[in-house]
Amino acid sequence: NAGVTQTPKFQVLKTGQSMTLQCAQDMNHNSMYWYRQDPGMGLRLIYYSASEGTTDKGEVPNGYNVSRLNKREFSLRLESAAPSQTSVYFCASSEYSGGITGELFFGEGSRLTVL
Amino acid sequence: GDSVTQMEGPVTLSEEAFLTINCTYTATGYPSLFWYVQYPGEGLQLLLKATKADDKGSNKGFEATYRKETTSFHLEKGSVQVSDSAVYFCALSGGANSKLTFGKGITLSVRP
Repeated sequence: NAGVTQTPKFQVLKTGQSMTLQCAQDMNHNSMYWYRQDPGMGLRLIYYSASEGTTDKGEVPNGYNVSRLNKREFSLRLESAAPSQTSVYFCASSEYSGGITGELFFGEGSRLTVL
Repeated sequence: GDSVTQMEGPVTLSEEAFLTINCTYTATGYPSLFWYVQYPGEGLQLLLKATKADDKGSNKGFEATYRKETTSFHLEKGSVQVSDSAVYFCALSGGANSKLTFGKGITLSVRP
């Protein structure tokens, strides 16, 4: 039961470096999401993909780009990392785009530190 | 826009104590309401949900009732266990094709 798999789990970057967080789900879900979790801020939506071939900005998209590579995979790229992007990143998926079911399935998170 | 407000934390209880975690919301229309739980080192998982007014969601001994008149969805458990130590998030969905809006979360620690 893999569910949602994120890599890497931990990463340390220097300011200005780039990196890509990978996410894959094996539940044949249509929608995928990237959140960041910061102390006292809860979860904030960065980008989402309602279905294969579409992506949209969430609440805090600045400094990030995404790619919905296929139905299974949704990657998050930091082109030029900044200390403000130090956070725990979660990928999630759902059968439909939010809606009344509301059940998102989350990965275990990726802890990113930018020095 | 939609928003969720949770009580300030953290909360520390002794085992077998009664738990209430408050959640209120602001939304247009008739949102669906959810509680998610995050155990240490893990991602979030759905704990319970309610999709219309007066519905009660329940799971693992936790309950929450959708109160439209007070715009609330408070989480309760009659007797907490050490294994309930986690972060709890209240969330809402405004309807079809809308995204989940999460509260800030509250950390619960249960002492033996």
